[in-house]
Parts: sequence; C-alpha cells; structure tokens
Amino acid sequence: DAKTTQPNSMESNEEEPVHLPCNHSTISGTDYIHWYRQLPSQGPEYVIHGLTSNVNNRMASLAIAEDRKSSTLILHRATLRDAAVYYCILRDDPLVFGKGTRLSVIA
Amino acid sequence: EAGVTQSPTHLIKTRGQQATLRCSPISGHTSVYWYQQALGLGLQFLLWYDEGEERNRGNFPPRFSGRQFPNYSSELNVNALELEDSALYLCASTPYSNQPQHFGDGTRLSIL
Repeated sequence: DAKTTQPNSMESNEEEPVHLPCNHSTISGTDYIHWYRQLPSQGPEYVIHGLTSNVNNRMASLAIAEDRKSSTLILHRATLRDAAVYYCILRDDPLVFGKGTRLSVIA
Repeated sequence: EAGVTQSPTHLIKTRGQQATLRCSPISGHTSVYWYQQALGLGLQFLLWYDEGEERNRGNFPPRFSGRQFPNYSSELNVNALELEDSALYLCASTPYSNQPQHFGDGTRLSIL
C-alpha cells in the first residue's frame, strides 16, 4: 500500500487559515487522496477527496500537487470546533489510517 | 437522515468472555466496515461486509467474526476476550464501495 506522511501536530489561531500537508511520494495513478478527521470522543468524519484537480466543498479545500506526490488540506478559517486529528489516506476500501496530524486551535 | 448507530456505547467484559457489538448503517447503505481503535495503535481495519457477504478481512485472529443481516445491519463478535481487545470499535457504512465512509461514534469495549 502506498504510504502517507503527515506532521504529528500543528497549531493554528482561531479564524486563521490552516494548511495541513501530506506527502505521498509512492502514490499510484489511480489512488484517490482522501481526508478524514476525528474529533475527540467521536468516530472519524469524511472531509474531502480528490484525484488530480483541486477540490472544494463546504468544509475545506484540497490542493493536489501537479506530480501528485503531495497534497494540502486547507481550512479557510479555523474554529475551535476544527480541533481534531486529520488523516490523509490513499487506500479507501478499506480505509488505511496512519497516525494523522493533531490540529490544535487557539482562541 | 439518521447516521450510523452503534450499540452498546460501552461494554465491560472479563477475560475469556464473548462480546457482541451491533451496527445499523445509514438507510440505503449496503456496505459495512468495522475498525478497531486501540490506544497507541491507531485505527485498524477489521472486517468489511457488502450485500450480506464478507468481502475483506484485516489482520486479526479468527476469534473476531461478524455477519451482516438482510436489512444490512451488522454484528461484530469477539470470542475468548483478551486484555488487548480493549479498544473503541467503530462501524462505518457506504452506499457502495469506493464512496466516502460514514462512521458511528463507536462501542468502547473494556476487558477487566
């Protein structure tokens, strides 16, 4: 399975944009890039996914590098409710979770 | 629309006992996945059921088993419980494979 590498933790101020990076240098041509997040005491929650083009939805944006070896999840205005562990995942069936990035949001 | 529901929320058992965990998927979803989230080990895939059949299995011993019923709800059974089975067990559903998975909030299983 292709692997992903994410920073262990990041910190952001409330109402500022957050850029969460993910490296996936061994990604194959058919691997979609998925992002999930897990808030404290809850199950994971789907955030966004994409293949080659940048993607936007109501929760976030996903910027994918041209060579697809890296991607960035963008939260446009972080809120306290966005504090969670964010997982970047290539294989989706079933999901293969790494350790993710723990995002702290400071008021 | 109701989300994925899991029961019970908490379950306490002793070593050697058997545990049964239940999952109701979102209406219209036919695929159900089970994951284990143990402290320090992260989320690991356990089992995948689709249309009543087991489609894939993670690297877990045979004492972890399950089934999917005609209404697409699912049961996870863990026999001969061991201390290291203490974990949060999460269920997810999708309308079909390769679609975003929707998770419940899990059953916390504690083995004394």
